[in-house]
Amino acid sequence: AQRVTQPEKLLSVFKGAPVELKCNYSYSGSPELFWYVQYSRQRLQLLLRHISRESIKGFTADLNKGETSFHLKKPFAQEEDSAMYYCALMDSSYKLIFGSGTRLLVRP
Amino acid sequence: DAGVIQSPRHEVTEMGQEVTLRCKPISGHDYLFWYRQTMMRGLELLIYFNNNVPIDDSGMPEDRFSAKMPNASFSTLKIQPSEPRDSAVYFCASRPTGNNEQFFGPGTRLTVL
Repeated sequence: AQRVTQPEKLLSVFKGAPVELKCNYSYSGSPELFWYVQYSRQRLQLLLRHISRESIKGFTADLNKGETSFHLKKPFAQEEDSAMYYCALMDSSYKLIFGSGTRLLVRP
Repeated sequence: DAGVIQSPRHEVTEMGQEVTLRCKPISGHDYLFWYRQTMMRGLELLIYFNNNVPIDDSGMPEDRFSAKMPNASFSTLKIQPSEPRDSAVYFCASRPTGNNEQFFGPGTRLTVL
């Protein structure tokens, strides 16, 4: 079955600390994976996708097919990074399957 | 471009009433998606359209839910009759062919009393 798992509901770190938001997936084909972010009172928006292999707002995510993971990382967290983060997988019919989300709280 | 537009932003209704949620996708986007977000189940895809045609409605919870897309710039999600367990945030999203990034609307927060 296709599934995206985000094991942490809440991740709390101090400003300047490294951040890693975990995402594991279950998919039989070649997945296309995304990270979406929802800041307070804003709409859900794309943060990055694995095919782009880019860094957005200091965040990176590497697809590890052996571990079926797509963890989101940032070396130095900022207060403005506080938000809800969703990992998502696109299946062969272009449907997005979302994880349950992780709330990141960056404390000053 | 105002992005995906949804109305109303908030809806409070009583059990048994009909509820209609509206969505205007971004111009030129030929895919439209309806999602429901709850604390218990997270973000779930309800139905999606391509070129105004429903492609997959397997996520629609039951017959009380229906969705239409009469033209490229408008879609509705209707719940009749509504029940308290339908309380959730309903998101609409759209994307163009050739780009897998979905653009989300601000959502409609529905409360059924």
